[in-house]
Amino acid sequence: QVQLQESGPGLVKPSQTLSLTCTVSGASITSGSYYWSWIRQPAGKGLEWIGRIHTRGSTDYNPSLKSRVIISLDTSKSQFSLTLSSVTAADTAVYYCARGDTTVNMIWFHPWGQGTLVTVSS
Amino acid sequence: SSELTQDPAVSVALGETVRITCQGDSLRIYFASWYQQKPGQAPVLVMYGKNNRPSGISDRFSGSNSGYTTSLTITGAQAEDEADYYCSSRDSNHVIFGGGTKLTVL
Repeated sequence: QVQLQESGPGLVKPSQTLSLTCTVSGASITSGSYYWSWIRQPAGKGLEWIGRIHTRGSTDYNPSLKSRVIISLDTSKSQFSLTLSSVTAADTAVYYCARGDTTVNMIWFHPWGQGTLVTVSS
Repeated sequence: SSELTQDPAVSVALGETVRITCQGDSLRIYFASWYQQKPGQAPVLVMYGKNNRPSGISDRFSGSNSGYTTSLTITGAQAEDEADYYCSSRDSNHVIFGGGTKLTVL
């Protein structure tokens, strides 16, 4: 059974860089054709897709965040990571990692990590 | 880019049937997926594609699609179905989420 677990600092100062890691267990991060994804949720608000990295390394990002986001894959550690630069209070949210499965006309996310709260504050 | 629109809140009497809808241009091309989120918990996939339920999801949940609209139907709603529900779809090489629907079971 595939499981995902987010990790990283819970507090980041404004203008600095947020870095999170998602560790995948129960399956190889390089097997199959999946999109390893990051999704966030500010308190009391809806879900926002941040971006994804394919098993073979290609990436796609939310256009509204693209200039600040990098998602990378570390196959040796079975991890993928999120880097978000120049953060502001608006980036305060629970950050989830999830595995995206896709066909030509749909994508679905399963499973999800439990989420990690990141607060941007001085 | 496209948007997905959901009613902010819907209520249903215990044991009755409720339909939660999601509208958007992307749904003309792509099938949606649906997620249930309870307070303090991560979202859980409950439906994807035309009418595909992941293993372990109750058969009370069903899906349908028509044009620009996709729907999640809960037949015989139970107290444990009270949650926020989000639709999502592809939008070219991106992914979009609806704003979510808060379902209250009365």
